[in-house]
Parts: sequence; structure tokens; C-alpha cells
Amino acid sequence: EAGVAQSPRYKIIEKRQSVAFWCNPISGHATLYWYQQILGQGPKLLIQFQNNGVVDDSQLPKDRFSAERLKGVDSTLKIQPAKLEDSAVYLCASSLIRTSGGGEQFFGPGTRLTVL
Amino acid sequence: SQKIEQNSEALNIQEGKTATLTCNYTNYSPAYLQWYRQDPGRGPVFLLLIRENEKEKRKERLKVTFDTTLKQSLFHITASQPADSATYLCALDEDTGRRALTFGSGTRLQVQP
Repeated sequence: EAGVAQSPRYKIIEKRQSVAFWCNPISGHATLYWYQQILGQGPKLLIQFQNNGVVDDSQLPKDRFSAERLKGVDSTLKIQPAKLEDSAVYLCASSLIRTSGGGEQFFGPGTRLTVL
Repeated sequence: SQKIEQNSEALNIQEGKTATLTCNYTNYSPAYLQWYRQDPGRGPVFLLLIRENEKEKRKERLKVTFDTTLKQSLFHITASQPADSATYLCALDEDTGRRALTFGSGTRLQVQP
């Protein structure tokens, strides 16, 4: 079974520039999550999709971050404009069922973003 | 405010010993608690899930306990091996129907040969 795919693996940009990350979840997984992991901390949820609808985006900085899930499969996360504090690893995860219900999550390798 | 605490200091143990990692939480009422392993440069990998009505769960050399009175989970690795060296994350699910997992900051385990 193929895992969660993410690209790019690394990205370096200047502050105020834009960046986009792509995620392809495990086939058949209805729920998709984007997490931000700052060095030395645990992953923090940014947004959760169920199929192509948003379930939870309460921690997404909507003035600069946006995300969409096309046709309930692939997803993109965009930052525009980036700030220095956005430097982090952006993790995509998917699960068969919503976590409410105790489903395990499968994580991709992440995209390491450095904002200079 | 809500808080999840894992020992931020690395845990160093000798190969063959049992490693015990702690996850404490306040102001949460988790229905489920999960443990994940994270290696450098990789995403977390699911290890075990325990429900609020379960006291203990085992999987091979791994054991998890969940005490909702103490608001604590303990994660044990018996007969530890250098390959067990990684960061271990606990994650809570309050089963509110909206929020996904809330992660602790993790504890780094180093098993010396």
C-alpha cells in the first residue's frame, strides 16, 4: 500500500513570498489533515478535511494560509505572504475515518519550509 | 488552559532495559490516547491506541497504560534496542466530532548498545 505523498520535501523562500505544498493521501482515506511542526514541538493541526469539506480550520491563520482538497483526494496548502515564524515542517496525514472514533493517522514525510 | 506534558529531556537507557515514557495532561477529557514514533526527517508513525475505558494495551514489546484519574499515560518498551531510539509523541483525541489529535511535544529516547 502506497503511503501519503508530499512535495516538495524542502523549500527555502524569502519572507513575504508565497509557497504551496501538495499532498496525496492514501487511496480511500476520507479524512485529510495538515499539521505544522515547529522544531522541538509536536505537530499542531492547521486544517482537517472530510472528503472535500472542511471539518476544522480553527487554528489556520486565515489571513495568510489557505488550503483546498480537490475532488476529495489531493490537497494543497498555501502560505501567502510567508513570515519568518512560518519556518517549520508541514505534515500531511490521512485516515480512513475521522479521528473522533479513534482512527490512527498515516503521515507523509513532510515538507521542511525555511523562511529567510 | 489545556496542556499536554511529555518529558522534554531525552531519556537515555541501556540496551535490554525497559524504557518508560510519561504523558500527563490537564484540562482534557480524552476519549482516546495514541502514541506515535517519529524519526528525524520523517513523519510520525502510529504505534498504539488506548481508549478511556481501557487500563492497559500491549503490542509485542510495547505496553501503554491510561489512568484517567491521574490524567496520565505511561508508554513502556521492554527489552529495548538501539533501533528503538526515536522521539515518541503522545496524542489526545477528545472525540468532540471536530478536532483532530492534539500532540505533546514528544520525548526523545536514546538506547545505548
